[in-house]
Amino acid sequence: DTAVSQTPKYLVTQMGNDKSIKCEQNLGHDTMYWYKQDSKKFLKIMFSYNNKELIINETVPNRFSPKSPDKAHLNLHINSLELGDSAVYFCASSQKKPLSNEQYFGPGTRLTVT
Amino acid sequence: QQQVKQSPQSLIVQKGGISIINCAYENTAFDYFPWYQQFPGKGPALLIAIRPDVSEKKEGRFTISFNKSAKQFSLHIMDSQPGDSATYFCAASMEEYGGATNKLIFGTGTLLAVQP
Repeated sequence: DTAVSQTPKYLVTQMGNDKSIKCEQNLGHDTMYWYKQDSKKFLKIMFSYNNKELIINETVPNRFSPKSPDKAHLNLHINSLELGDSAVYFCASSQKKPLSNEQYFGPGTRLTVT
Repeated sequence: QQQVKQSPQSLIVQKGGISIINCAYENTAFDYFPWYQQFPGKGPALLIAIRPDVSEKKEGRFTISFNKSAKQFSLHIMDSQPGDSATYFCAASMEEYGGATNKLIFGTGTLLAVQP
């Protein structure tokens, strides 16, 4: 059973379009994240939700809108896609424990904007 | 102050050798320092992590050395194997947001190639 799953794995679209990426975790974690990995492999947090509540919004453009319908799901909708949005987007989840802050990452969604 | 600097950018090691990757941070409020391993086409996965109250942690062939006064930590991979070839990221985080979330600040990554 996949712990953190994302769909789709690949997304190719044109500038100006709107697209969504879905994420689901079956680990029972309270916290979920979206990260962006650019072409140089740099990983940067975008958003974090805890029990459906937005906790972190790292100065991401308003065109990006996360939605958490329940604590097992965190979706990412992107409006008016731009060339610079091309990247790999990772969803992750975690559960606070005394000695561990391990985050479990999904397989990633490679978004290509043409 | 939120940066984590990682070096080298890439590393080539012979099978059986020792791979060493270094990271440095500025923010003394950081209290959790994990290393993540990422294979091509996969998401990062936690390899090993340390808190600043210890100077070293070992799990199998992987060791983190932590120098609190120098604000540096490093990953040592002993007896490196071709299967260790991957990108390695150091990261750091601190207690904030009332513990509701854990914001990881990642280093820039090191591409390790272990030659057979």
